[in-house]
Amino acid sequence: EAGVAQSPRYKIIEKRQSVAFWCNPISGHATLYWYQQILGQGPKLLIQFQNNGVVDDSQLPKDRFSAERLKGVDSTLKIQPAKLEDSAVYLCASSPLDSEQYFGPGTRLTVT
Amino acid sequence: AQKVTQAQTEISVVEKEDVTLDCVYETRDTTYYLFWYKQPPSGELVFLIRRNSFDEQNEISGRYSWNFQKSTSSFNFTITASQVVDSAVYFCALSGRGAQKLVFGQGTRLTINP
Repeated sequence: EAGVAQSPRYKIIEKRQSVAFWCNPISGHATLYWYQQILGQGPKLLIQFQNNGVVDDSQLPKDRFSAERLKGVDSTLKIQPAKLEDSAVYLCASSPLDSEQYFGPGTRLTVT
Repeated sequence: AQKVTQAQTEISVVEKEDVTLDCVYETRDTTYYLFWYKQPPSGELVFLIRRNSFDEQNEISGRYSWNFQKSTSSFNFTITASQVVDSAVYFCALSGRGAQKLVFGQGTRLTINP
């Protein structure tokens, strides 16, 4: 079974630029999550989708971050405009209902 | 609010030693789940175990074992006869009932020296 796929793996941008990340979850997983992991810290949830509806986006900085999950499958996370403090690894995870989450390899973002 | 504390920031041991990673959690939920994930240098989080709040049985999987004690709100992880390949950052995490977000601890960086 294929795991969670993410792209790109690495991205370097200048502050005030925009960037987008893509995630393809494990087939059949209803729930998709985006986490932000700042260096030296544990991951922090940004947004959770169930099918194509948002369940929790309470910690998403909505003035600059946006996310969508088209047709309840793939998802994109966008940052516009980026700030220096957005430098982090962005992790996508998916799970069946009421089960453990499986994580992708992450996208390492560096904002200069 | 939910909270997970991993007080050990870094641990370094020599290969074949046993090592225990501590995890203390806080929650007001009566139904909750506890997890351990491994993050090797490649960066991907690897699921190790999930326990629900009603199952306090200790679990053993090969060289790995987990001790869940509700009385002390702890869910500790022991690696027996450690190996260099066990070197990674280990995260303890907590979630509420159902498919809910994970609240992670700060992680413990484990280094196994040959």
